[in-house]
Amino acid sequence: EIVLTQSPGTLSLSPGERATLSCRASQSVSNNYLAWYQQTPGQAPRLLIYGASGRATGIPDRFSGSGSGTDFTLTISRLEPEDFAVYYCQQYAGSPFTFGPGTKVDIK
Amino acid sequence: EVQLVESGGGLVQPGRSLRLSCAASGFTFDAYAMHWVRQAPGKGLEWVSGTTWNGGVIGYADSVKGRFTISRDNAKNSLSLQMNSLRPEDTALYYCAKDGNTGALGYYYGMDVWGQGTTVTVSS
Repeated sequence: EIVLTQSPGTLSLSPGERATLSCRASQSVSNNYLAWYQQTPGQAPRLLIYGASGRATGIPDRFSGSGSGTDFTLTISRLEPEDFAVYYCQQYAGSPFTFGPGTKVDIK
Repeated sequence: EVQLVESGGGLVQPGRSLRLSCAASGFTFDAYAMHWVRQAPGKGLEWVSGTTWNGGVIGYADSVKGRFTISRDNAKNSLSLQMNSLRPEDTALYYCAKDGNTGALGYYYGMDVWGQGTTVTVSS
């Protein structure tokens, strides 16, 4: 099983600032099958990034993903008020598909 | 409109069974892999199980293996999760989610459509 670790656990930033979230895998994620999701309170998760760097339909270009192998990054270039949420990475390279524990981005 | 609607949740005693369903609409159901993901109260996301476009089982989380069974009926645009021998730690909001790819030959995309979930509470 691929175990995902996310850091930091909480990121306290102000609107307009840049957010950098990390996801590390316990083994290489083949085909860069790594996705990022955003979840706001009381809502279902929303797919942001697929294949480590592909932006899902309708996702603003301030969201970008990068990385390969075992180290991946989600960057939000300028935080908007609606971006304060919990972010999860997920690998789908091998069963069981696994999620990281999440990074909460909150308002400083 | 692309939509997933879960049903079948409720309060159940430990050791009992429950069957969750997910009704899909607005897209070609039999062209996509489908998944169940759960979220315990105040906790993170946990992938439970998935099925390829034609009913092949992708796998199960270790925590549910041998107790849960995923299935789909492409003629009815429906996904199911049979949950047996339920435990208190199975208490969660269960989401149905659509993959952006078929799952054939190991091709996946990520979960691009989610339902609003159905709540399962396991307690005596």
